[in-house]
Amino acid sequence: RKEVEQDPGPFNVPEGATVAFNCTYSNSASQSFFWYRQDCRKEPKLLMSVYSSGNEDGRFTAQLNRASQYISLLIRDSKLSDSATYLCVVGLNTGGFKTIFGAGTRLFVKA
Amino acid sequence: DAGITQSPRHKVTETGTPVTLRCHQTENHRYMYWYRQDPGHGLRLIHYSYGVKDTDKGEVSDGYSVSRSKTEDFLLTLESATSSQTSVYFCAISAQGAREQYFGPGTRLTVT
Repeated sequence: RKEVEQDPGPFNVPEGATVAFNCTYSNSASQSFFWYRQDCRKEPKLLMSVYSSGNEDGRFTAQLNRASQYISLLIRDSKLSDSATYLCVVGLNTGGFKTIFGAGTRLFVKA
Repeated sequence: DAGITQSPRHKVTETGTPVTLRCHQTENHRYMYWYRQDPGHGLRLIHYSYGVKDTDKGEVSDGYSVSRSKTEDFLLTLESATSSQTSVYFCAISAQGAREQYFGPGTRLTVT
């Protein structure tokens, strides 16, 4: 089992749609959680950190469920510019810092 | 955007030759990381540094070495490049371990 698993995708959605990304992690000692986006042939960029209470940034909402070891990202009112790969990332300290990236879910938003 | 640069941005080299990739930051962050990204594998950590001269291995460290003699520079060396090391290499920085990371633009390395 992979340490961080994401929906394989790709997701193809029309502009204006709401899209949800799901992610599960295997290590219950995980301490920090993030979503990154990566455009084709570019570097990953931090989209948002994920907190236990959930957090929102404009059209983006992230949720964390520690009991289920599950992270989600919701994008409302999708724009063409949201087309990218979304990476779920988990950080933990097991005597040494470790950051584990999911394989990513590709999103295509179409007009 | 975080001040991170990588050099070279593209390199083609032959099997068996040594290669050094450089990561330079202007943010004075303590932690620096080297990742490789390959189709089907996502980002995998090669090595990371938690201070000058302090480094540790990641999950795919075989065939790679690193050095950090200054806060701002983190070097990744392939002592004898192999075709399996053809990849995109990203450097990242963070102020604290296992926290938000900021990535450089990447280096595309092809080993023929």
